Amino acid sequence: ETGVTQTPRHLVMGMTNKKSLKCEQHLGHNAMYWYKQSAKKPLELMFVYNFKEQTENNSVPSRFSPECPNSSHLFLHLHTLQPEDSALYLCASSQDLAGGQGELFFGEGSRLTVL
Amino acid sequence: GEDVEQSLFLSVREGDSSVINCTYTDSSSTYLYWYKQEPGAGLQLLTYIFSNMDMKQDQRLTVLLNKKDKHLSLRIADTQTGDSAIYFCAESTGGSYIPTFGRGTSLIVHP
Repeated sequence: ETGVTQTPRHLVMGMTNKKSLKCEQHLGHNAMYWYKQSAKKPLELMFVYNFKEQTENNSVPSRFSPECPNSSHLFLHLHTLQPEDSALYLCASSQDLAGGQGELFFGEGSRLTVL
Repeated sequence: GEDVEQSLFLSVREGDSSVINCTYTDSSSTYLYWYKQEPGAGLQLLTYIFSNMDMKQDQRLTVLLNKKDKHLSLRIADTQTGDSAIYFCAESTGGSYIPTFGRGTSLIVHP
């Protein structure tokens, strides 16, 4: 596989469920990101990891819990979500955080629906 | 207001030129980007411009940057139905280079 792969592509969960989103990049990059895409809103940065260390937490509620076991994998653990958390969650990677033009490579996203 | 602003929709006829506009607030922006998101897909970098440039051309794409007005535009010449997508404007500053994105402009190309 190439590029950035996200699973599952679609997820429906109740407010009391616990689920996880997975992201894997095959580009040899060192930085990985979670973004939230909601209709008619700016793309919202949630978390950034660089060399497995979290460098950004953009005031995200604790019901979202990221995990980055290595530079190739990124998870987003979800628990007791709210209906307003329904959105497309995009994972991205980049070579690193400094230097260059900082191109991000995105996965296709995980469409989350919270009932 | 938002850091990066762009209109939500643009409708053009096939063969015409499309111009998508964006304004940003950070005067220290180093790079400015246009990303494209096709239906059911993630974002893909279309083009970018360094802040010391006024214009960049790449085949059918022309990027114009007005630093004084903090205005960025993307012109697509001879727009095709395959250009129908959401176009995101983004900017980053020196240091972390993490882009800040706008809401995206949905470009609809009709015959």
